[in-house]
Amino acid sequence: DQQVKQNSPSLSVQEGRISILNCDYTNSMFDYFLWYKKYPAEGPTFLISISSIKDKNEDGRFTVFLNKSAKHLSLHIVPSQPGDSAVYFCAASALETSGSRLTFGEGTQLTVNP
Amino acid sequence: DAGITQSPRHKVTETGTPVTLRCHQTENHRYMYWYRQDPGHGLRLIHYSYGVKDTDKGEVSDGYSVSRSKTEDFLLTLESATSSQTSVYFCAMGTSNEQFFGPGTRLTVL
Repeated sequence: DQQVKQNSPSLSVQEGRISILNCDYTNSMFDYFLWYKKYPAEGPTFLISISSIKDKNEDGRFTVFLNKSAKHLSLHIVPSQPGDSAVYFCAASALETSGSRLTFGEGTQLTVNP
Repeated sequence: DAGITQSPRHKVTETGTPVTLRCHQTENHRYMYWYRQDPGHGLRLIHYSYGVKDTDKGEVSDGYSVSRSKTEDFLLTLESATSSQTSVYFCAMGTSNEQFFGPGTRLTVL
């Protein structure tokens, strides 16, 4: 039972354009969401997060949008750069029921072409 | 400036042998985690620890055990390795608000 799903295994965009990565979840108890970025042969690194009391969080070129009614979140990268090419994981937590545990999606490989 | 390290970084072993992976952190984090990463599955939690000698199972704990005798060290043991345990293993520290990951251990079970 995959509670966090990233339905696009890969995404390819041109440098300078917008990258939109999507994530859906099924557990209505999730109240905190995170995006991680992973380069080959390295561990994932934290990128940006959002609490369920918000619908948008922005940090430089990265913005995360949360639509609770649709149980959907997205990560926007504007403008995209070749160095953004990596695997992006969506993750969620439910503080009340699962404490410090995170549930991850399958990941989306983003390729930004020069 | 790595606050969390893993050893070994690569290991090849044979089916049926025991294997222990080590995670070491220098940040005094209470919570530590072991994940495995497989294509099509993302990161899946194996076991986690919420303090010295306090551990609990994750979603894919069968065939794995853990121990935490000191705050800084979290060990993952495969009692009898199987080919299905070929994977990349990541250790992490922190909380649900932010977890910091180690560089990973690539384990191949032949």
